[in-house]
Formats: sequence, C-alpha cells, structure tokens
Amino acid sequence: KNEVEQSPQNLTAQEGEFITINCSYSVGISALHWLQQHPGGGIVSLFMLSSGKKKHGRLIATINIQEKHSSLHITASHPRDSAVYICAVIEGYGNKLVFGAGTILRVKS
Amino acid sequence: NAGVTQTPKFRVLKTGQSMTLLCAQDMNHEYMYWYRQDPGMGLRLIHYSVGEGTTAKGEVPDGYNVSRLKKQNFLLGLESAAPSQTSVYFCASSPWAGGYENIQYFGAGTRLSVL
Repeated sequence: KNEVEQSPQNLTAQEGEFITINCSYSVGISALHWLQQHPGGGIVSLFMLSSGKKKHGRLIATINIQEKHSSLHITASHPRDSAVYICAVIEGYGNKLVFGAGTILRVKS
Repeated sequence: NAGVTQTPKFRVLKTGQSMTLLCAQDMNHEYMYWYRQDPGMGLRLIHYSVGEGTTAKGEVPDGYNVSRLKKQNFLLGLESAAPSQTSVYFCASSPWAGGYENIQYFGAGTRLSVL
C-alpha cells in the first residue's frame, strides 16, 4: 500500500464546477504539499500545509492531521486548471518528500 | 530568473549506452534531488544531496550514480542504460529540507527513452 493515496485518479469537470481532490496518508508527517504539473511537464508548488487551511485565488487546501487527510478544492474551475495535481508529504521531520500518484484533472469549456 | 535548469530535455539511448543528465540551479540552494516519474506512479527519489560534495541514496538508486562537485550542479549518470530506465527525470532543489521548510523547485524534466 502506498504511503500517500490520492482520489480520484482521473477527474473531468465542466467549466465553473467546484472540484475536490483528496489525499490520504498513512504516516506521521511534518508537512504536506500540493503541487501542479501542467501538460508539458513543469511542476510547481501550490501549497505547503502543516495544519488548518490555506487559500490562494480560487484554490483552497485543507488538512486534518488527526484523520491524516488533505483536500484541494478549486472553485469556479476553468480549462486552464487542467493539469495533474500531486500530493506529497514529509514523513516525520525528515528531508524527503513522498509523493502520491497524482490526480489528472480535465476541465471542459 | 532561470531557477532549475535540466539538460537535455529529450534523449534516446540504446541499451548499454551511458549518459549524464545535468541539473543546474541558480538559487544557492543546499539541497538537490533527482526523481523519476513513471505512468501511474508518484515521483520516486533516486538520489539526493544535502550539500556540495555530498550525495545519498533515495528510494530507487540502482543503476544510477550522482555527483555534486559544485553547489549549483547535480549530475545524474546512467553507466549502462536499460529499458527499465525509460522515464521522465526531474531535478529539484530546496533551500532547506527540515520538515516544514522543504519547498522544492523543479526543473522542466528530461524525457529519456532506452531502446
């Protein structure tokens, strides 16, 4: 079983829909990251969380440490949001990220 | 701002050939990482470095070697390429790796095919 599990694996939405991507992990962590990988491959960090909630534009990330679960929400989705969204955790107080397999999101206009 | 630059972007090798992938960062970061990305799997750590002159094994180090002779460069070598090493390789760097502060900056990736 992978330490970091994402759901769904694939997601297709209509423009304007509210989107939720989930991440569950099985180990104790010091931080959780959400990253975005665009077609063409570039990977950028969206959020880093250790508790609570963060918001940036139309993106919202939440984490529940007790339940070992995080969600990434996209409000008013747009075709330009189409990308792979990756959850990654830092186990304990280590120095390495452990990655989920990613969620492929396609937003249709 | 260049950030993290990987060369080459694409490469096709024959089984048994060798090659070196170069990663360069201009952010004065201490930590550098090499990952591979395969379909349906998360990024997996090959090797990493916590500073100039140091390297350490990651999750999938077999068949690869690395060197960090200069702080800004991290080289990944394949001595005898195998088809199982067909993958997309990403380099990343971070200023600090301690828990909450590990924000990694990624290169654009190198797509490698081994025939």
